[in-house]
Amino acid sequence: DTGVSQDPRHKITKRGQNVTFRCDPISEHNRLYWYRQTLGQGPEFLTYFQNEAQLEKSRLLSDRFSAERPKGSFSTLEIQRTEQGDSAMYLCASSSQAETQYFGPGTRLTVL
Amino acid sequence: SQKIEQNSEALNIQEGKTATLTCNYTNYSPAYLQWYRQDPGRGPVFLLLIRENEKEKRKERLKVTFDTTLKQSLFHITASQPADSATYLCALPRSGTYKYIFGTGTRLKVLA
Repeated sequence: DTGVSQDPRHKITKRGQNVTFRCDPISEHNRLYWYRQTLGQGPEFLTYFQNEAQLEKSRLLSDRFSAERPKGSFSTLEIQRTEQGDSAMYLCASSSQAETQYFGPGTRLTVL
Repeated sequence: SQKIEQNSEALNIQEGKTATLTCNYTNYSPAYLQWYRQDPGRGPVFLLLIRENEKEKRKERLKVTFDTTLKQSLFHITASQPADSATYLCALPRSGTYKYIFGTGTRLKVLA
């Protein structure tokens, strides 16, 4: 399968713990996006990478969130000191020069 | 502020009929608009993109229109099938940024 993959698919954690998610985009896609989606809502933009450079970050993203794409390939999203309000589906998408985004299956986070 | 509105109520239609979904936006002048399909627990899947200078775009049983005067896009599925049941999202690029704004989506249910 050459699509976008995300790991893990599900994560249950206790409030205050740190979690890290991984996204492997379609190879040769230089653009990578992270989104958060809650029930009944559309995906909400979190951050954007072009190759290894993080070019945009949502103002809604608190300092507890950080993302990296060290070699311009896979990306990680870390949430520190998780809160119950962080419970959501975290989606990764990649694209080439075109506008079409290819989404991964998402990581569902539950914070107890 | 820039907003996208989709009918949050579910749309139920009979198999074989044409489903029409609406996406309205305010305070935008997007260069293009996208439609995605999302099944429960999965990431969105790209369907169609229509540019501001295009009035209509078709792909198999799908048709999208884009009225920049009304600030509205209509998404049609002709000869609908139960397999078309899903949530349909519209998305716009936010000008001057790398960000995409998604609507809340409309859940379509095609009844056999």
